[in-house]
Order: sequence, then C-alpha cells, then structure tokens
Amino acid sequence: GAGVSQSPSNKVTEKGKDVELRCDPISGHTALYWYRQRLGQGLEFLIYFQGNSAPDKSGLPSDRFSAERTGESVSTLTIQRTQQEDSAVYLCASSLWTVNTEAFFGQGTRLTVV
Amino acid sequence: DAKTTQPTSMDCAEGRAANLPCNHSTISGNEYVYWYRQIHSQGPQYIIHGLKNNETNEMASLIITEDRKSSTLILPHATLRDTAVYYCIVRVAYNTDKLIFGTGTRLQVFP
Repeated sequence: GAGVSQSPSNKVTEKGKDVELRCDPISGHTALYWYRQRLGQGLEFLIYFQGNSAPDKSGLPSDRFSAERTGESVSTLTIQRTQQEDSAVYLCASSLWTVNTEAFFGQGTRLTVV
Repeated sequence: DAKTTQPTSMDCAEGRAANLPCNHSTISGNEYVYWYRQIHSQGPQYIIHGLKNNETNEMASLIITEDRKSSTLILPHATLRDTAVYYCIVRVAYNTDKLIFGTGTRLQVFP
C-alpha cells in the first residue's frame, strides 16, 4: 500500500504479558516516529528514528518500552510486562528527512491491557 | 514542551470560515509552524506549514504574523467533516526533527 501500515489494528493482552506492535513506513521514508495516545488525550511522543543515526528515545516512559528499526524499513515497538496504564492507541508516522516535509500517520494499534 | 498555546475548543457554523488561532511567542528563527488535524479515531493528517510567509493550499490558509509569535489557520468554508482536533506545532527543520503535539483545539462544525 501507499500509506503507513500498522499491525495489529487491535490488541488485547493480559497484564504482565509482552506485546509487539509493528509499523511499515512509506517506502523511501527515512524518518519514523512512534506516539502514544491515551483515551481523550493528545499525542505523546515516544521515539524517533532517522536513517542510521542513533534513535531519539527521550519520550519512552520506562525501560519496559523499547523499539527497533532495521535500516529504513519496518519498526517494532515492544512493551514488556504490560500494565493497565499502557492501554492506549499507539501511532506510527514516517516522513522523508528533508526540510519542509510532512509526516504521514498510520491508523494506529489500539492496545487494551486487561 | 509543546511551545504553542491554543484554545481548547471552538465552534463554527457549516459554510462559514473557521479561524483557529495559535500562539508561539518563543518561536525561533529556524522553526516552522505546522498544522495537523485528527478526526475521531484516525491518525493525524497534515494540513499546512509555513515559516514566515502566508501559505495557502487546497485545504486551508495559514496566516503568520509579522513577528511570527502567532498564527491563524483558516478553513474558508467549514464542513461537518472538518470537525476534528487541530494541532499547531513548531518544529525545527534539522536533525532532531521530531513533532511534539500539544493539546490542540477541538473544532466542532455544526449544521
């Protein structure tokens, strides 16, 4: 497809389990972002990848959260030992890394921790 | 910090112009102003951006004050489908390049 693809679209998991969320960016986009959006709240920045540079992890809320990206392709956000407060929509976006570029967002993964 | 302030909510009648203000009094010379919107249950969508000149595209117009401390997004003929949360973001266009979203303005377009 032409857009940013995220999977799964919905995920229900038990408290304490690990989850992996996947993001397929637009082909050729060197920048990739992850955000978290709790119900009724704004977008909370988590992590940013830009090409082969070290990722900006300044938004990760705890060491239970990690993300990887292989080159300029797929990214995986992993949440270990999930807690109920991790319940949210996790959004991924990608962009070309040039001045004046827009970020394209996926539809998100809705994570529910029960 | 989001570095922008926006009203929490606004209403607009269908067919009228919607004018959404944003204050960014600490903006730096190398920071752009971006606008995104998020329609319920969807990912954010880019609308427009600018540095210091006014900009217009098929979706909206962006008016930036001469001192660049504030801007206004204008939807010239609002429709019900424009009901969304609108985010104003200032963004440095080099290395870190990350988008930091604030709380946005919830625009309700009514018939």
